[in-house]
Amino acid sequence: DAGVTQSPTHLIKTRGQQVTLRCSPISGHKSVSWYQQVLGQGPQFIFQYYEKEERGRGNFPDRFSARQFPNYSSELNVNALLLGDSALYLCASSPGRTNEQFFGPGTRLTVL
Amino acid sequence: AQSVTQLDSHVSVSEGTPVLLRCNYSSSYSPSLFWYVQHPNKGLQLLLKYTSAATLVKGINGFEAEFKKSETSFHLTKPSAHMSDAAEYFCVVISILTGGGNKLTFGTGTQLKVEL
Repeated sequence: DAGVTQSPTHLIKTRGQQVTLRCSPISGHKSVSWYQQVLGQGPQFIFQYYEKEERGRGNFPDRFSARQFPNYSSELNVNALLLGDSALYLCASSPGRTNEQFFGPGTRLTVL
Repeated sequence: AQSVTQLDSHVSVSEGTPVLLRCNYSSSYSPSLFWYVQHPNKGLQLLLKYTSAATLVKGINGFEAEFKKSETSFHLTKPSAHMSDAAEYFCVVISILTGGGNKLTFGTGTQLKVEL
């Protein structure tokens, strides 16, 4: 079975640019969550989507937005990039809203 | 608010000796707790989970954890370390969100080093 997939694997942007990260959940999973992992720290919750609706948002600025598509894949958008946005962005999927979450390999974003 | 505290940022053991990674939790209700492992440049893999059934939870690769309510602890153990166990380990608690979903709250991580 295919696990959670994310694209791209690596990305380099400059300050002020915008970026879109993509995630495909495990087949049959309807919930997608996004996390940011800064080097040396644990992941921090950004968003959760279930059945295409936002079910939760972490303590991140409005520059961060996301959406979920009818096939349950998801995109995370970050506008006006800052140096501090450099991190590993992890996507996790789960069958429902409250089940355990399974993580993808992540997208490494570097902002110069 | 739900939170977890990992008591050691680094743990070093010799191959073949026991592993103990410590985690304390804070929760206003009966928690759901997890341990995840992250190998270098890899995503997070679920090791085991506690969801208020048996207090001793067995996971993959010989790891297990014991939920102790009286001590608010959920320590991860393994009888005999292997070189392949070297990785970052995260203790995690689930929080229910007002929108009806959930989020994982991670500890700061424990880097496990296994020496020959």
